Amino acid sequence: DGGITQSPKYLFRKEGQNVTLSCEQNLNHDAMYWYRQDPGQGLRLIYYSQIVNDFQKGDIAEGYSVSREKKESFPLTVTSAQKNPTAFYLCASSLGGTGQGRAFFGQGTRLTVV
Amino acid sequence: GENVEQHPSTLSVQEGDSAVIKCTYSDSASNYFPWYKQELGKGPQLIIDIRSNVGEKKDQRIAVTLNKTAKHFSLHITETQPEDSAVYFCAASPTLRRALTFGSGTRLQVQP
Repeated sequence: DGGITQSPKYLFRKEGQNVTLSCEQNLNHDAMYWYRQDPGQGLRLIYYSQIVNDFQKGDIAEGYSVSREKKESFPLTVTSAQKNPTAFYLCASSLGGTGQGRAFFGQGTRLTVV
Repeated sequence: GENVEQHPSTLSVQEGDSAVIKCTYSDSASNYFPWYKQELGKGPQLIIDIRSNVGEKKDQRIAVTLNKTAKHFSLHITETQPEDSAVYFCAASPTLRRALTFGSGTRLQVQP
């Protein structure tokens, strides 16, 4: 069953804690992306990676970190520096690193700070 | 950078009517424009896309048109059905950043 898997589906974090969201794809896609979605709003780009061992900041990278050690994995860490981390986080991937190939999304992780 | 504006933010139609959602973009060099459908609590699903060398593309009840001169593109859904109710997002691929920039979304409600 090919696709993009995000885990966990729901995540609760205490203030001051770091938390890591998982994103795995078995589509053999080169590029992977992380977006944040707040209620009633569009998707904002956090980080993206066009190739293994390389990634770039998006529009709202502050308080987040990523790694791309394997082609199929692009984990996102929400650090304690992120002032308002409660949101719906979406991971996507696309074939090729141009940003102009079809991007497919996972089912998201809903993070709540308690 | 790229800026994508999407209108309307909400749209209510009767079942069987047509729905049109419009987007404008700022980067004249953008050349890839996908549309996504997002159901509640799920990730966005790609429903149709168009590249700048094409003016129109159809797939059954949905179509997308692109006007590069005016820098706008539109999603057309004909013969709407209740299962079309969802949030729809347009996006554009800017040249300086290799990732999609999204519009703010349109909540479509199809009344039975």
